[in-house]
Order: sequence, then C-alpha cells, then structure tokens
Amino acid sequence: EAQVTQNPRYLITVTGKKLTVTCSQNMNHEYMSWYRQDPGLGLRQIYYSMNVEVTDKGDVPEGYKVSRKEKRNFPLILESPSPNQTSLYFCASALNGGVIEQFFGPGTRLTVL
Amino acid sequence: GESVGLHLPTLSVQEGDNSIINCAYSNSASDYFIWYKQESGKGPQFIIDIRSNMDKRQGQRVTVLLNKTVKHLSLQIAATQPGDSAVYFCAETTYQKVTFGIGTKLQVIP
Repeated sequence: EAQVTQNPRYLITVTGKKLTVTCSQNMNHEYMSWYRQDPGLGLRQIYYSMNVEVTDKGDVPEGYKVSRKEKRNFPLILESPSPNQTSLYFCASALNGGVIEQFFGPGTRLTVL
Repeated sequence: GESVGLHLPTLSVQEGDNSIINCAYSNSASDYFIWYKQESGKGPQFIIDIRSNMDKRQGQRVTVLLNKTVKHLSLQIAATQPGDSAVYFCAETTYQKVTFGIGTKLQVIP
C-alpha cells in the first residue's frame, strides 16, 4: 500500500530533551516536507526537500533540523524542544517539485512540558 | 485532530445541497492552487488543483474557481453528503514552497 508513515504518533517530552520524529514514504517520491498544524493557524511548512541531500527552509524552521540521506526517509529533529513546539506535525511527500498533490502521513502529536 | 477544528470559520450545509467554500490567497506569483480535505484525526487529503492560468476546473462532484483579479479561490461541492464533513484547506504553491490557508470547517446537517 502506498503510504507515508510517521513515528511516533504521540509523544510527550520535557523541555530540552532531544527528539526525532521519523517519516518514511514508499512511493519513490522526490519531494518531502514537514508541517506543523496549530489551531487557527492552519498548516505551516517547516522544511522541505526536493531530493536526496537537498533541504530548504519553509516558513517556520526555527528550532528544527532535517536530513535527507535517503530518498524514502525525512526525519524531523528537535535538538532542544520548547513548549512552543507543542503541536501536531505532518510529514508529506509528492512525486516531484511541482508539489501539486502531496500525500500526508497520519500526524504526530507532540507535547513539550 | 479534533483541536485543529476550533476557531475555524464554519459552514453548515443541509445534506443534498451544494456547498461553496471560499479562500483568499496572497501570492500573485503562485503557480498552482490546491484544495485539501482533512477529516478528524487524519492527515490532509488532496482533492483538486487548478493551474494559475485557468479559471475553472471540474472534478467528480467538485469544481474549483479561480479569480486572479481579486485573489480568490472557491471550492464547490455538489450534492453535499455526510462524508464531506471535514476541514477544507486551500493551498498555493510556487513549485517548492507551499502555503496553506487556515481552513474552513464544513458541517453537513442530515
């Protein structure tokens, strides 16, 4: 089944404790992206990647890192999480940089205490 | 997923009626405009897109209209069904970055 998977689905952590949210797609898509979703703000793009070893900042990259060593994986790293990073996170992939039809993962709900 | 529905504009429609969801966009240079549907507890799902050089595009039970003069996008859903209840987002893309609107919650009244 073609899909985007994220792990973990739920995470509660404390301020300053490094964490990684994994994202994997099995559709051989070139483009991958991370979004955060907050009430009243919609989805905001954190980082995106046009292909392996190519990553760029979205609209809200502060406090986040990403890497794209393999085509299928695009982990999101929070080196020192803070409470304002409490949010619902979505990973998405698209066939190429046209980014017309994105396929989204199921989401990761992160709470930083 | 439930909390993302709070504070959103809400459209209530009787089952069987047509729904019109509106969106204002900001970037005149956007190449494509896209509508996504997000059901409770799930990630957004692609519905339909329209290229910036088009005014109208039709899909199955959905029509998207683009008015570049006033930077306005709309999604029309024909014969709205209970399964259409969701949050609908418009998005604009310049071929790499994607910007989403805040969303509209559609409630279908049986």
